[in-house]
Amino acid sequence: GQNIDQPTEMTATEGAIVQINCTYQTSGFNGLFWYQQHAGEAPTFLSYNVLDGLEEKGRFSSFLSRSKGYSYLLLKELQMKDSASYLCAVVGGATNKLIFGTGTLLAVQP
Amino acid sequence: GAVVSQHPSRVICKSGTSVKIECRSLDFQATTMFWYRQFPKQSLMLMATSNEGSKATYEQGVEKDKFLINHASLTLSTLTVTSAHPEDSSFYICSARVGQGVYEQYFGPGTRLTVT
Repeated sequence: GQNIDQPTEMTATEGAIVQINCTYQTSGFNGLFWYQQHAGEAPTFLSYNVLDGLEEKGRFSSFLSRSKGYSYLLLKELQMKDSASYLCAVVGGATNKLIFGTGTLLAVQP
Repeated sequence: GAVVSQHPSRVICKSGTSVKIECRSLDFQATTMFWYRQFPKQSLMLMATSNEGSKATYEQGVEKDKFLINHASLTLSTLTVTSAHPEDSSFYICSARVGQGVYEQYFGPGTRLTVT
């Protein structure tokens, strides 16, 4: 089976740094995605990790450890517009299905 | 490039009626399309995977006779919610993928279904 866990909610302050963790147990692994989703909208792509290590893209970075079944999304210099849900999703199985975690609702406060 | 559209964006229907949602890849051919459902404050749950010209593969717990999926061409997949009930009210999102690669998956804007 597949199990992907994230904290349900987080709160952070504008200008600060926040780390959103994701742990997963899946049958087959072909990569891990992070998506941002604002309420009532479709998810938008943030990052993709398939190898261990850190991928940096502007204010957002994503880390993966395959041996630990662990990833995190790091958001720097938080802005109010970063208030959204952040979804961790794992690709796996014979058909490369994208399976989403529970999602983390991030609230950025002034 | 890589734009996926959904129609309608919002629909309200009466209990017992059927509703069809369209998902189109506008500028590429999608060999595989996925349908997700999202309830308020929850994550996306994969409902089914559809490949052009073949039957959809449904996830465990999803009723294939209630959620009819047709992937008639490489640019169009439809989801029909039959005999809709209020508990079917949800946000339905499709995504489209080129080939079997993990990277090329693009999401539509979603359809908000409300069953009264």
